[in-house]
Amino acid sequence: GEDVEQSLFLSVREGDSSVINCTYTDSSSTYLYWYKQEPGAGLQLLTYIFSNMDMKQDQRLTVLLNKKDKHLSLRIADTQTGDSAIYFCAENPSGTYKYIFGTGTRLKVLA
Amino acid sequence: DTEVTQTPKHLVMGMTNKKSLKCEQHMGHRAMYWYKQKAKKPPELMFVYSYEKLSINESVPSRFSPECPNSSLLNLHLHALQPEDSALYLCASSHTGENQPQHFGDGTRLSIL
Repeated sequence: GEDVEQSLFLSVREGDSSVINCTYTDSSSTYLYWYKQEPGAGLQLLTYIFSNMDMKQDQRLTVLLNKKDKHLSLRIADTQTGDSAIYFCAENPSGTYKYIFGTGTRLKVLA
Repeated sequence: DTEVTQTPKHLVMGMTNKKSLKCEQHMGHRAMYWYKQKAKKPPELMFVYSYEKLSINESVPSRFSPECPNSSLLNLHLHALQPEDSALYLCASSHTGENQPQHFGDGTRLSIL
């Protein structure tokens, strides 16, 4: 099947904004999720968006959804060194418990 | 701090050993999950339990045996594993029903000698 695609790597300077992109596959997915994974840790749920929304803001995080293009993005404002991690998007196709995870984007924040 | 607790954090075992991974949550979630994650890859679903009953087995080899003794606990029993089974094993939980966010533990890093 198709993969949920993410760019592999992103490097930004501290204080700049980061934008992580995701192209998902299943238009039936009602919710789309963003997770953060720090080295040696599990996945931390950052935020999620309902498919009938275009945008969701939660403090420094902004999620944009383009359902027509199946494109999801996560913007982190004022990026800090503690934001360095791997970020996974995930979709949850209708009728299943199963998540389909993106390939993951490694974010490196330079001081 | 995660609300899903996994033990042990690290496990090294030989191919003939029998060991178990444990997962506990007290969020009242009735769906629990096991995932396997290889380095630099996304997690891969192994098993899903709903109301303490196995509802999804993603064609996992029988050397992995899950168990859900009650609504708060999930175990993964390991026997005769292979070196390629070395990975991070993640447990997650959620409310039942579609479109419920899954909450993950910090995982058990398993190494097979």
